[in-house]
Amino acid sequence: AQSVSQHNHHVILSEAASLELGCNYSYGGTVNLFWYVQYPGQHLQLLLKYFSGDPLVKGIKGFEAEFIKSKFSFNLRKPSVQWSDTAEYFCAVTRSGSARQLTFGSGTQLTVLP
Amino acid sequence: DGGITQSPKYLFRKEGQNVTLSCEQNLNHDAMYWYRQDPGQGLRLIYYSQIVNDFQKGDIAEGYSVSREKKESFPLTVTSAQKNPTAFYLCASRHQDRDTQYFGPGTRLTVL
Repeated sequence: AQSVSQHNHHVILSEAASLELGCNYSYGGTVNLFWYVQYPGQHLQLLLKYFSGDPLVKGIKGFEAEFIKSKFSFNLRKPSVQWSDTAEYFCAVTRSGSARQLTFGSGTQLTVLP
Repeated sequence: DGGITQSPKYLFRKEGQNVTLSCEQNLNHDAMYWYRQDPGQGLRLIYYSQIVNDFQKGDIAEGYSVSREKKESFPLTVTSAQKNPTAFYLCASRHQDRDTQYFGPGTRLTVL
């Protein structure tokens, strides 16, 4: 079965530190990849997505992610985090041609200290 | 104001009672989904529907039921057969030709 792994369960950083959150998936075929973010008390919202083309994708609020097919990875990065980035981050995968079901990772809670 | 609405925001239920969670969208999306979110487990798919009057089980459908009588609405019933119903429930929708799902604000269900 398809699975998504997020190895960092809780990350604590100081403001201005760089961020990288890991995401690996197990499916070997064509996939679509997503990062969603859930700020405290808010909707789950889309941060960025990769369907095809340039493997380096840019999202909202200065986030970016790189798709490395050979490593089955889609890591999320931000050069300098802010206190307002404190949230839970979810990596998710759909397989092309399926009912577009999303398989989510377990999430990473990011806490940014002011 | 377009979007996905879920009601109520908080719901308390006694053991042995069925309860129905509402999900409505005015985005004209064809597909709708229900997820359950538990701490440290991410989101898990309960049921989904790609068209009206049709729906399929997700990964954890036992103890839940759904209906899709209208395109805009996809209510979820948590039955007394669900062994551990206390959780945060999220509804999502997607346009037929797009892969991105959009989420509602969620309903937090607590079984007393």
